[in-house]
Amino acid sequence: AQTVTQSQPEMSVQEAETVTLSCTYDTSESDYYLFWYKQPPSRQMILVIRQEAYKQQNATENRFSVNFQKAAKSFSLKISDSQLGDAAMYFCAYRRRVQGGSEKLVFGKGTKLTVNP
Amino acid sequence: GAGVSQTPSNKVTEKGKYVELRCDPISGHTALYWYRQSLGQGPEFLIYFQGTGAADDSGLPNDRFFAVRPEGSVSTLKIQRTERGDSAVYLCASSLYREETQYFGPGTRLLVL
Repeated sequence: AQTVTQSQPEMSVQEAETVTLSCTYDTSESDYYLFWYKQPPSRQMILVIRQEAYKQQNATENRFSVNFQKAAKSFSLKISDSQLGDAAMYFCAYRRRVQGGSEKLVFGKGTKLTVNP
Repeated sequence: GAGVSQTPSNKVTEKGKYVELRCDPISGHTALYWYRQSLGQGPEFLIYFQGTGAADDSGLPNDRFFAVRPEGSVSTLKIQRTERGDSAVYLCASSLYREETQYFGPGTRLLVL
């Protein structure tokens, strides 16, 4: 079974600085997707960024970027120029790629990010 | 367009009672997922629908939990004889068929007293 591990229960960063959240996963599959979701106190899970395992290039979305190390099964999220609105729980998630269908997400336990003004 | 909606937002019930939680997916999304998020944990998969049928119900914890999606759109998660351990946030997500990104609703917070 696939597992996702987030080893940092809490992280903090100063506004405008950079922070990196860690995620490792375990799978025997070679084709899959990885995601970072943000969950503010409103409970709404919001997609931050996604990465296809077959792509070597790291995904970026504005201030958010990932460092995907397939061999090491590592998928960290870097947030640049942190803003107060970035404060939230961040969840790393894995999804197996299947032909002609959809598949459940497997989540880590999350990292609580605090942004200090 | 409208996102995934879930009702009620909060539900308080007594141990042993029956509850129904509703999910209205994004229009046109054929895949629908239910997850349960306990306090301090990440969401855990419960069940996945493709159209009207349950394609994967391996995450349902026991036979007190049941979900339906009779017309391939709205889904209802049903919990019988609720227990205090069922207290959690129940999240619903939907996606286009074969689309890897799932879009989540705001969840229903269930509290069993």
